[in-house]
Amino acid sequence: DTAVSQTPKYLVTQMGNDKSIKCEQNLGHDTMYWYKQDSKKFLKIMFSYNNKELIINETVPNRFSPKSPDKAHLNLHINSLELGDSAVYFCASSQLDRGNEKLFFGSGTQLSVL
Amino acid sequence: GDSVTQMEGPVTLSEEAFLTINCTYTATGYPSLFWYVQYPGEGLQLLLKATKADDKGSNKGFEATYRKETTSFHLEKGSVQVSDSAVYFCALSVWDYGGSQGNLIFGKGTKLSVKP
Repeated sequence: DTAVSQTPKYLVTQMGNDKSIKCEQNLGHDTMYWYKQDSKKFLKIMFSYNNKELIINETVPNRFSPKSPDKAHLNLHINSLELGDSAVYFCASSQLDRGNEKLFFGSGTQLSVL
Repeated sequence: GDSVTQMEGPVTLSEEAFLTINCTYTATGYPSLFWYVQYPGEGLQLLLKATKADDKGSNKGFEATYRKETTSFHLEKGSVQVSDSAVYFCALSVWDYGGSQGNLIFGKGTKLSVKP
């Protein structure tokens, strides 16, 4: 069973559209994240949720809205897509115990905005 | 603020060559340090970690030692294989003052290509 699964794997859409990426983890972790990886492979955190509560909200346009219906799911909704949103988006989860930190990543969603 | 700096890639080596990927960090307190690996088309996977100074993390022939005096965590492997071709990320953990909320900060990644 996949520990962190996100769908879809590929998403091709037109500028201005609204789209969602779903993420689910079956590890029983309390914390989930969304990361954005640009074309140069630079990985940057966007959001972090702990027990459905928003913990980290980096400087991300408010067109991006995470939603956590329960602690096993963290979905990412993007409004009015722009060309610069094209990237690979990774979901991750963790049970961060100090000294025993480990993130589990999904396989990524490649978003292409045309 | 806390940050991670790793050597720019890409790095291209022949099979069986020695690998070093440099990583230095800036942090308040005493973070844990990590190397993650991303194979083509996949998400990141933890490769190894070290939680305190002088600890050595190791896995799959890769090693890295937590050096507090030089704030470094360089990744090494004595003999690389074609299957090691991937992007390697150095990371450190950051925690809030209460120690209850943590996060990982990643370096920019170093792409390694190993030729037969």
